[in-house]
Amino acid sequence: AQTVTQSQPEMSVQEAETVTLSCTYDTSESDYYLFWYKQPPSRQMILVIRQEAYKQQNATENRFSVNFQKAAKSFSLKISDSQLGDAAMYFCAYRTGFPDKTSGSRLTFGEGTQLTVNP
Amino acid sequence: DGGITQSPKYLFRKEGQNVTLSCEQNLNHDAMYWYRQDPGQGLRLIYYSQIVNDFQKGDIAEGYSVSREKKESFPLTVTSAQKNPTAFYLCASSIIWGTGDDEQFFGPGTRLTVL
Repeated sequence: AQTVTQSQPEMSVQEAETVTLSCTYDTSESDYYLFWYKQPPSRQMILVIRQEAYKQQNATENRFSVNFQKAAKSFSLKISDSQLGDAAMYFCAYRTGFPDKTSGSRLTFGEGTQLTVNP
Repeated sequence: DGGITQSPKYLFRKEGQNVTLSCEQNLNHDAMYWYRQDPGQGLRLIYYSQIVNDFQKGDIAEGYSVSREKKESFPLTVTSAQKNPTAFYLCASSIIWGTGDDEQFFGPGTRLTVL
C-alpha cells in the first residue's frame, strides 16, 4: 500500500518570503500522480498543484512550484512571495496511475502541514 | 454553478443513534468519496463509489454505511457501531477515466459531534 508522509506538522514564514513544505511517499508503482491541496480556516479543500510521475518537468502554478524527485520519492511544495491568504493546512496526496475496481481513483493523504504566515 | 453540497454543516448526535450525512454533486462525476478528518491528522478514506449501486470500503469503513442509488448522491450513515464518530466529514467527487491527474472536488464538510 502507498503511504504519504509530511514530517513538518507546522511551518511559519514571513510575508513576502519563500517557504518549502516537504512530502515523501512510498510506492512500488511506476506511474502515479501527486497533488498538493490547501485547506484554509474555512476547511474547504482546494487543489494547489499536481504532478504526473512520468513528467520530468516540475509543475508550477503562479507562486507555487514543486520539486519532484522521483528516485528519492520526494515531492516538496515551494511557495514564493508568501501572502497572508496562504495561511492554511497543506496536504500532500498520492493517486495511482492504474485505477481499477479495487483502487479506484482514490487519494492517499499525508498528515498535513499547518502553515502560518506572519505579517 | 456546478459543485458539491453537503448537509447539514453541523450535526449533533446522541450516543446510540444513527445519523445520515448528505452529499450531492452536479458535476456529472462518476466517482464519489467520503473522508474523515480528525485534528492533527490527514484525510482518511471511509468509502468510495465509482458507479451507481456499487461501492468499496476504504481504510476505516467499520461503523459506517453508504448507498449509491443515484449518480448525483452518496449519503453516509454513521451507525451506533462507530466508536468515536466525532469528526469532520468531507465528501468528494471526480471523473475516473480522464487525463489521470484529474482533481477531486470537495464539498464544504459536515462537523459531527456526539453528545
